[in-house]
Amino acid sequence: ETGVTQTPRHLVMGMTNKKSLKCEQHLGHNAMYWYKQSAKKPLELMFVYNFKEQTENNSVPSRFSPECPNSSHLFLHLHTLQPEDSALYLCASAGLAGGRNEQFFGPGTRLTVL
Amino acid sequence: SQKIEQNSEALNIQEGKTATLTCNYTNYSPAYLQWYRQDPGRGPVFLLLIRENEKEKRKERLKVTFDTTLKQSLFHITASQPADSATYLCALVRGRTGRRALTFGSGTRLQVQP
Repeated sequence: ETGVTQTPRHLVMGMTNKKSLKCEQHLGHNAMYWYKQSAKKPLELMFVYNFKEQTENNSVPSRFSPECPNSSHLFLHLHTLQPEDSALYLCASAGLAGGRNEQFFGPGTRLTVL
Repeated sequence: SQKIEQNSEALNIQEGKTATLTCNYTNYSPAYLQWYRQDPGRGPVFLLLIRENEKEKRKERLKVTFDTTLKQSLFHITASQPADSATYLCALVRGRTGRRALTFGSGTRLQVQP
């Protein structure tokens, strides 16, 4: 596989469920990102990892818990979500050299919280 | 407060015409500005990057301008085709050293009519 992959592509969960989203990048990048995209709203940056270390958390509720075991894999653990958390969750990676910060996105996970 | 504004109204044009999309920003001094294309249900795809000291950048039928005085970037698609129909996002690269963060606009949907 090439590029950035995300699984699952679609997820429906109840408010009491626990689930995880997975992201994998095959580009040799050292930065990985989680974004949330809701209808009619800009992409919202949630978390940033550089060299496996979390460097940014944009006031994301604790019901979202990221994990980055290595520079190629990123997880987003979900628990006790709310219906307003329904959105497209996008993972991205970037090389940090040169400052361009060109993002390579995965296809996203469409999350529906019932 | 910092804002990035893209026209939320969809842009409808005829095939063969030039599409021009606008990205305005306030209270930023971005080192770079990027444009992405996003198709429904998919992650954004990087198209072009322009630096603050560049006035114009071209790639095939795409042209981007960057006016740091007006705080505006224009994105042009010449000889537009129905396959160009998508949502186009601008993004600013904040910060000039070290880790650089990306902030996205909400995007403008382009519809090219055959």
